Amino acid sequence: ETGVTQSPTHLIKTRGQQVTLRCSSQSGHNTVSWYQQALGQGPQFIFQYYREEENGRGNFPPRFSGLQFPNYSSELNVNALELDDSALYLCASSWGGREVGDTQYFGPGTRLTVL
Amino acid sequence: AQKVTQAQTEISVVEKEDVTLDCVYETRDTTYYLFWYKQPPSGELVFLIRRNSFDEQNEISGRYSWNFQKSTSSFNFTITASQVVDSAVYFCALSRNQGGKLIFGQGTELSVKP
Repeated sequence: ETGVTQSPTHLIKTRGQQVTLRCSSQSGHNTVSWYQQALGQGPQFIFQYYREEENGRGNFPPRFSGLQFPNYSSELNVNALELDDSALYLCASSWGGREVGDTQYFGPGTRLTVL
Repeated sequence: AQKVTQAQTEISVVEKEDVTLDCVYETRDTTYYLFWYKQPPSGELVFLIRRNSFDEQNEISGRYSWNFQKSTSSFNFTITASQVVDSAVYFCALSRNQGGKLIFGQGTELSVKP
């Protein structure tokens, strides 16, 4: 069984640019959640996708957007990058969405640095 | 509002010592879920346990044990006979839904020295 994978591993961008991060969910899972983890902090929930629909969103501005594809993989897009967007971005996959969903299993993360 | 507090920022122990990581949570929900995750230096969060609010039974898994007390809103994690491989950041998390948004504490960095 393949676990959650994320790409790229590391990324360096400059302020104002746009970035796309990718996540492949674990086999059998139909839900993907994205989290941002700043250095020395706990992860913060960005949003969740269930069966290709956004299924909950945290306190992040609209320049953070996402997609989920029919194979349940997902993308996180961030426009107009700011220095504070530098963080580890974690993707978690699970089955069943928000209400009846199962445990979230995390990928290795993408380390984004904004200069 | 929901909140998770892990008051211990860093803990350092010598191998074979027992160590308890504290977690205190706040919620007005009667149904909620509590989690512990481990984050080794590689960065990936590794799931350890999930507990729902109706199940206060303590759990033991090998050297790991968890003590859930609703009366004090705590969900503490004990590692018995710690090992160097236990060195990591440990996060406690809370969720209103079974599969929804996780609210994490700040984490406790555990260092186990040989």
